[in-house]
Amino acid sequence: GAVVSQHPSRVICKSGTSVKIECRSLDFQATTMFWYRQFPKQSLMLMATSNEGSKATYEQGVEKDKFLINHASLTLSTLTVTSAHPEDSSFYICSAGGRAGRYEQYFGPGTRLTVT
Amino acid sequence: AQRVTQPEKLLSVFKGAPVELKCNYSYSGSPELFWYVQYSRQRLQLLLRHISRESIKGFTADLNKGETSFHLKKPFAQEEDSAMYYCALQTGAQKLVFGQGTRLTINP
Repeated sequence: GAVVSQHPSRVICKSGTSVKIECRSLDFQATTMFWYRQFPKQSLMLMATSNEGSKATYEQGVEKDKFLINHASLTLSTLTVTSAHPEDSSFYICSAGGRAGRYEQYFGPGTRLTVT
Repeated sequence: AQRVTQPEKLLSVFKGAPVELKCNYSYSGSPELFWYVQYSRQRLQLLLRHISRESIKGFTADLNKGETSFHLKKPFAQEEDSAMYYCALQTGAQKLVFGQGTRLTINP
């Protein structure tokens, strides 16, 4: 149990376009979802915390108008990279927490975004 | 400031040898620390949590508040232990601060 999926696994888009990444908790309800960014050979950096039914909380330095997060249900959160630029190319990982009686976060497999 | 430091980016040991992955943290509150592991081509997954004080896959980690450390240890390394290991500090609202990670390679 406690599986988190992400879609798509890879995406290539042109500069100036927007890309949406989905994060789903498949077998549990996630009251909280987290979005991370990972640069090559570097650690995961938390971008924002998303709670179902409320606005996301962004970490310092993360542009909320550029990285739109929606957590419309207890099993789905989306990250939209708006007006993407090559510097937005990265590996984006989501995790889900809040599973009843569990403290840990469950991670998705990640989405590789390449902006050309 | 909240910070997790893993001083070794790469660590290579022989099968059967002891292994220790270092982790130090900086946090003004009461720390809650985790070790996450990422095997090749797999997603990040929880290895162990300091509060549970359990041994998972032969790994243990003890929180030393005096030295602000949470080193991961295993007495006899196995080849299947080769992976990327991340130390993480949980702050408010379940947020995790990750260290840079250590790539552990077990040589046969």
